[in-house]
Amino acid sequence: QVPLQESGPGLVKPSETLSLTCTVSGGSISSRYWSWIRQPPGKGLEWIGYIYYTGKTNYSPSLRSRVTMSVDTSKNQFSLKLTSVTAADTAVYYCARIGGTGYIDLWGRGTLVTVSS
Amino acid sequence: DIVMTQSPDSLAVSLGERATINCKSSQSVLYSSNNKSYLAWYQQKAGQPPKLLIYWASTRESGVPDRFNGSGSGTDFTLTISSLQAEDVAVYYCLQYYTNPRTFGQGTKLEIK
Repeated sequence: QVPLQESGPGLVKPSETLSLTCTVSGGSISSRYWSWIRQPPGKGLEWIGYIYYTGKTNYSPSLRSRVTMSVDTSKNQFSLKLTSVTAADTAVYYCARIGGTGYIDLWGRGTLVTVSS
Repeated sequence: DIVMTQSPDSLAVSLGERATINCKSSQSVLYSSNNKSYLAWYQQKAGQPPKLLIYWASTRESGVPDRFNGSGSGTDFTLTISSLQAEDVAVYYCLQYYTNPRTFGQGTKLEIK
């Protein structure tokens, strides 16, 4: 059982919306913060934002106008939507758990999302 | 935003030798009320997600070999691998979690000489 598992389309057309879901296994999504991070091919890590199980969010200023995160406690899942994507949004997208004191302590395996027509 | 700058960008070290990676933040990530620096280190091997090594600048995550050590406070931090093993080949990242947005260093690629 994989503790964190990303799912969603691997290919998205330019100008459309990227949608990913992270399923949390082996523990409750409650009382935790959860995060999305991305990594363009061959490049470094970029923090997208985080969501608390209550739905409270905090997004990176550089993506704030296009990002929405949500949480479904009944399914133990949280989600990412990124609108108006371009080729620059092509990346491996990771979901992650934030430890009680703020650092990321567990990562999903990541899923590659390619933006291309 | 706090800018995290790592040095060097890449590093080649012989097996059994010491590897040192630096991370500098553009402003202090030390929280005065608890005297903790909000700085973590991650290891990312090829094709894998990052793995937490160090948090609070110097606290080793459970299960991480004791050859990995973190030091520093405020704005200047160091990750030291005391005796490099073949399995330590990876890219290493620092992360500040002092404030939003969280920011990562650009990464340091560690190879065997």
